[in-house]
Amino acid sequence: EIVLTQSPDFQSVTPKEKVTITCRASQSIGSNLHWYQQKPDQSPKLLIKSASQSISGVPSRFSGSGSGTDFTLTVNSLEAEDAATYYCHQSNIFPITFGQGTRLEIK
Amino acid sequence: EVQLVETGGDLIQPGGSLRLSCAASGFTVSSDYFSWVRQAPGKGLEWVSVIYSGGATYYADSVKGRFTISRDTAKNTLYLQMNNMRAEDTAVYYCARGWGAFDHWGQGTLVTVSS
Repeated sequence: EIVLTQSPDFQSVTPKEKVTITCRASQSIGSNLHWYQQKPDQSPKLLIKSASQSISGVPSRFSGSGSGTDFTLTVNSLEAEDAATYYCHQSNIFPITFGQGTRLEIK
Repeated sequence: EVQLVETGGDLIQPGGSLRLSCAASGFTVSSDYFSWVRQAPGKGLEWVSVIYSGGATYYADSVKGRFTISRDTAKNTLYLQMNNMRAEDTAVYYCARGWGAFDHWGQGTLVTVSS
């Protein structure tokens, strides 16, 4: 099973700050890594697919990079509405797995 | 409108069975890939099962032999039959569409396994 380890687990940030969340895979997964945002009592929402591909309707301040085992989600100029938990997800090999999540708190 | 709506969540005793449904609109269950993903209270996301457009199915080890994913093309609905349920199956269950990334998710349905 591919283990995805996100860091940090929690981060408290101020609006307009730049945030970087990392996701490390226990073995190479190519670019088969996707990012989701989940707000309390809501379903997850796809932010970035295939490591770096943007999704229609998602603000351009969200971007992704990486390949192989190391991936990054960057949020430029954070806004209050970005308070949420963020998950990475690999679809390269079964079983499909998710990272443990990174909770962003807006100060 | 593209939508997934899960129903069927309930309080069930350990060892019991339950069937979840996921009604799709805006796409066809037989021509796409659909997964069930669950989230235990206060915890992260856990993939449960997938059904391919061709009908192939795959399961997480934690549910293999107990859960069955299926679909009804006439009703355009996805199902998850859950048998021999355990306390650790307690979660919100989401259906999600996608090969690779999950680009559409339902609102989830809560399953509680407790005596």
